Amino acid sequence: QKEVEQNSGPLSVPEGAIASLNCTYSDRGSQSFFWYRQYSGKSPELIMSIYSNGDKEDGRFTAQLNKASQYVSLLIRDSQPSDSATYLCAVPNSGGSNYKLTFGKGTLLTVNP
Amino acid sequence: NAGVMQNPRHLVRRRGQEARLRCSPMKGHSHVYWYRQLPEEGLKFMVYLQKENIIDESGMPKERFSAEFPKEGPSILRIQQVVRGDSAAYFCASSSGGYNTEAFFGQGTRLTVV
Repeated sequence: QKEVEQNSGPLSVPEGAIASLNCTYSDRGSQSFFWYRQYSGKSPELIMSIYSNGDKEDGRFTAQLNKASQYVSLLIRDSQPSDSATYLCAVPNSGGSNYKLTFGKGTLLTVNP
Repeated sequence: NAGVMQNPRHLVRRRGQEARLRCSPMKGHSHVYWYRQLPEEGLKFMVYLQKENIIDESGMPKERFSAEFPKEGPSILRIQQVVRGDSAAYFCASSSGGYNTEAFFGQGTRLTVV
């Protein structure tokens, strides 16, 4: 059973702060990792993908991957109230079924003005 | 560049009726996935399809649920004889490739069984 674990939160940060979202996964063979943002009542929106160990930056978002520790994180710099949403970590299965995403239950982030 | 299109956005069915959910993938995408999101639960994989082929339906309940992706037209997720426990958000996603590629989600269909 592939597992993806996230802190459910809620995580509350003041506007302008750095929000740090964490995710661990059980499948050692996973090769790619995705972060989705989901506003309440809306669909998941892909915001970051990362494939190699280290950091990947895109605007205010930085994804960090450590395959040895089976850990992936998402940092949001200069957090804005519009960043308030649930953030979902998604990991494809390894092997022949790596089209199948296993999602964490998500971390609810609230950015306070 | 239209994204993944799902309809209807909201669907209300009485117990025992059939529900049909439709999904048109993003232009250029030939891989379609259906996920279900139950209240307070994460997204769960249901089925993976390519044109005219079901590749993996391991996440589909054994009874009452079926999916297809015909040569022409949208992918269809069909739920027969719906029960209250089928109430959920059903999301379709598409990708350009089946392996480790980015999947983009539609707006979802929120099914309510009364």
